[in-house]
Amino acid sequence: DAGVIQSPRHEVTEMGQEVTLRCKPISGHNSLFWYRQTMMRGLELLIYFNNNVPIDDSGMPEDRFSAKMPNASFSTLKIQPSEPRDSAVYFCAGGTGLNSYTFGSGTRLTVV
Amino acid sequence: TQLLEQSPQFLSIQEGENLTVYCNSSSVFSSLQWYRQEPGEGPVLLVTVVTGGEVKKLKRLTFQFGDARKDSSLHITAAQPGDTGLYLCAGDTNAGKSTFGDGTTLTVKP
Repeated sequence: DAGVIQSPRHEVTEMGQEVTLRCKPISGHNSLFWYRQTMMRGLELLIYFNNNVPIDDSGMPEDRFSAKMPNASFSTLKIQPSEPRDSAVYFCAGGTGLNSYTFGSGTRLTVV
Repeated sequence: TQLLEQSPQFLSIQEGENLTVYCNSSSVFSSLQWYRQEPGEGPVLLVTVVTGGEVKKLKRLTFQFGDARKDSSLHITAAQPGDTGLYLCAGDTNAGKSTFGDGTTLTVKP
């Protein structure tokens, strides 16, 4: 099992550009979570899906952020337009119950 | 939003020493997880505790869930440099999602 796969590992973009982060969860995991991690705020839950359906997006900072899960094996997190304050490490995680998650290695986003 | 407070924020010790880190909240959790995160990687699950008063052991690591299910501790015996990392606790309130604490950064020096 390759685990949760995120791409890209690193992304550097200019302010105003669109950024798309990708996640391939572990087969059989019916819950998928997008987190953002910064030194100042720690790990913040952005959105989570259950059986491909968005359940709670209250953590999405603003309308510039959107997430989709078109099928059980793929999810995207899009930021448009990106801003310097969006710079962080973005994690995708999956699970099947008891909230015991398997995290990907993250995407380090830098917006200049 | 449930707030999980972890202490200490930073801990630096010598190899062979024992240590305990804490995770506290005013909220009751249906389950609580401990993760370890190394630089450049995502958090890795160490343990899940569910029952108040539960104690779980993972080699040199001992995890305890408080009787009231509001707090937890992680004790490491004879720490090794390989234990270095960010230790995160996360609590679930049956809402289907977990809230993470800010973590304890542990450095074990050879």
